[in-house]
Amino acid sequence: KAGVTQTPRYLIKTRGQQVTLSCSPISGHRSVSWYQQTPGQGLQFLFEYFSETQRNKGNFPGRFSGRQFSNSRSEMNVSTLELGDSALYLCASSLEADTEAFFGQGTRLTVV
Amino acid sequence: DAKTTQPPSMDCAEGRAANLPCNHSTISGNEYVYWYRQIHSQGPQYIIHGLKNNETNEMASLIITEDRKSSTLILPHATLRDTAVYYCIVSRQNFVFGPGTRLSVLP
Repeated sequence: KAGVTQTPRYLIKTRGQQVTLSCSPISGHRSVSWYQQTPGQGLQFLFEYFSETQRNKGNFPGRFSGRQFSNSRSEMNVSTLELGDSALYLCASSLEADTEAFFGQGTRLTVV
Repeated sequence: DAKTTQPPSMDCAEGRAANLPCNHSTISGNEYVYWYRQIHSQGPQYIIHGLKNNETNEMASLIITEDRKSSTLILPHATLRDTAVYYCIVSRQNFVFGPGTRLSVLP
């Protein structure tokens, strides 16, 4: 059974640009969550999607957005990139709430 | 989501049991206890979770106190590959990660 797949694995962008990251969940999983990990702030929750609807959102500015497609694949977008957006972005999928979540290997974004 | 408290670091000798404690005194009745670990910037790896009863799987055992205010993750025979940051999370959804415990397994 394939795990959670995130693409691309590495990305370098310039300040002011926008970026889209992709996450393919484990087959059959309908919940996809996104997290940002930085050395200073640790792992922080961005948002969660379930059946194409955003169910929960963390405390991040509106430059961070996401969506989920009918096949449960999810994308997150960051507009007007700032240097502080450099981080490891992790996606996790789960069957439902109250079930274990499985993480992908992440996309490492560097903003220069 | 309830807050958890874990020691920042622990050492364990290879082959010995590693016992990682977690306090979650404000846990509510419907919140699960989850344990994950993260090895050097890889994605966090699910280990185990439980609600009230003790749980065991091929990786570890989870002991939850009767009042559910604390728990212990047990790795029965730690190996060097178990060196990682271990996160204890209590949640119904949307995990709130603390700084975790950095476990070093020493040869």
